[in-house]
Amino acid sequence: GENVEQHPSTLSVQEGDSAVIKCTYSDSASNYFPWYKQELGKRPQLIIDIRSNVGEKKDQRIAVTLNKTAKHFSLHITETQPEDSAVYFCAASQGSGNTGKLIFGQGTTLQVKP
Amino acid sequence: DAGITQSPRHKVTETGTPVTLRCHQTENHRYMYWYRQDPGHGLRLIHYSYGVKDTDKGEVSDGYSVSRSKTEDFLLTLESATSSQTSVYFCAIRETGRGNEQFFGPGTRLTVL
Repeated sequence: GENVEQHPSTLSVQEGDSAVIKCTYSDSASNYFPWYKQELGKRPQLIIDIRSNVGEKKDQRIAVTLNKTAKHFSLHITETQPEDSAVYFCAASQGSGNTGKLIFGQGTTLQVKP
Repeated sequence: DAGITQSPRHKVTETGTPVTLRCHQTENHRYMYWYRQDPGHGLRLIHYSYGVKDTDKGEVSDGYSVSRSKTEDFLLTLESATSSQTSVYFCAIRETGRGNEQFFGPGTRLTVL
């Protein structure tokens, strides 16, 4: 069935460095790719998303890139800060997205060391 | 927080007992979703609803049923809870008119002993 693979499962960086999290998806009809941040004991929060008609999207220190041909997308966080420490999830829409159903990756635990 | 609440927030129950979790939204969103979150698995869709009395299965629906008798409430029922259903359950809504963005409720931590 449809699948989203996320790597790495854990990532540790020094404050100020960049962090990159990568995801691959299997459903060629997927056209919506959100990223969620989840702090310990909290709900997942949508931080950025991208649609298949766009190759890159930025919002301040975070950016997402999409390669439809290779079926992979990535989250880039620049100038990391300790408050960026959290679990990050990628997701892909199931099919063209009419139902809104999402398939999630397994998550990446990001630790930013001061 | 998109006006989503979940109840209860924590529950401990015993194997074989029925359990119902409630998701309540105040903003008249058409689509609602139930996910479970387990270590190493991310978030997995259990069931979703696309309107009153309109529901469909997700990827891990076995052992769960849902009901939506009014727009604001989406109920998840475990007919006979098992230890494998110990998890954190999140409800989500899809905001009408904003594409596919989903926003999550605060979650319910369920422990089945």
